Amino acid sequence: AAGVIQSPRHLIKEKRETATLKCYPIPRHDTVYWYQQGPGQDPQFLISFYEKMQSDKGSIPDRFSAQQFSDYHSELNMSSLELGDSALYFCASTKTGGLETQYFGPGTRLLVL
Amino acid sequence: GNSVTQMEGPVTLSEEAFLTINCTYTATGYPSLFWYVQYPGEGLQLLLKATKADDKGSNKGFEATYRKETTSFHLEKGSVQVSDSAVYFCALSEGNALNFGKGTSLLVTP
Repeated sequence: AAGVIQSPRHLIKEKRETATLKCYPIPRHDTVYWYQQGPGQDPQFLISFYEKMQSDKGSIPDRFSAQQFSDYHSELNMSSLELGDSALYFCASTKTGGLETQYFGPGTRLLVL
Repeated sequence: GNSVTQMEGPVTLSEEAFLTINCTYTATGYPSLFWYVQYPGEGLQLLLKATKADDKGSNKGFEATYRKETTSFHLEKGSVQVSDSAVYFCALSEGNALNFGKGTSLLVTP
């Protein structure tokens, strides 16, 4: 079965640079979620989208923004990167606006030098 | 707000031992409860879930029961294998997001 696809899988950036992470949900899933998992930490919810509209917001820094496109893929844009942004970024998707099981992608590992 | 508390790891067991990883939660309302597993270097995989009180989720020999009276969702497996070595996260649904516990690392030795 098709799974959530994230790209790139690994990314290395310098401080103050920008990064864009992409997420392609499971086909026919209309909701995507972004999580950040620091080293040795639990995943923290950043933001979610349902039918291309932001549906919920968590601990996403103001330097980050995200959107969902008409084909339901989503992009997380990160600017003015800081060392502390180094983490594993997960995208998850569900079929409805919420309360359904979230299926996670493999994650993008971002390293900020 | 809602929160999840898991027993701290690491937990080290011998193969075929019995496993229990405790998870308790605080929540307003009646959230769904989940266990996710993360193998080394990989993403999160749903292991099992329960959506209402007294529901039992089970998968791959693991099981957990949603206990409203004790606000718990403990993960159990009767006989662990080396391949079960991973980090296990208890989580609850909070609106449109998942609220995770800190994770419990499990190491199973031959």
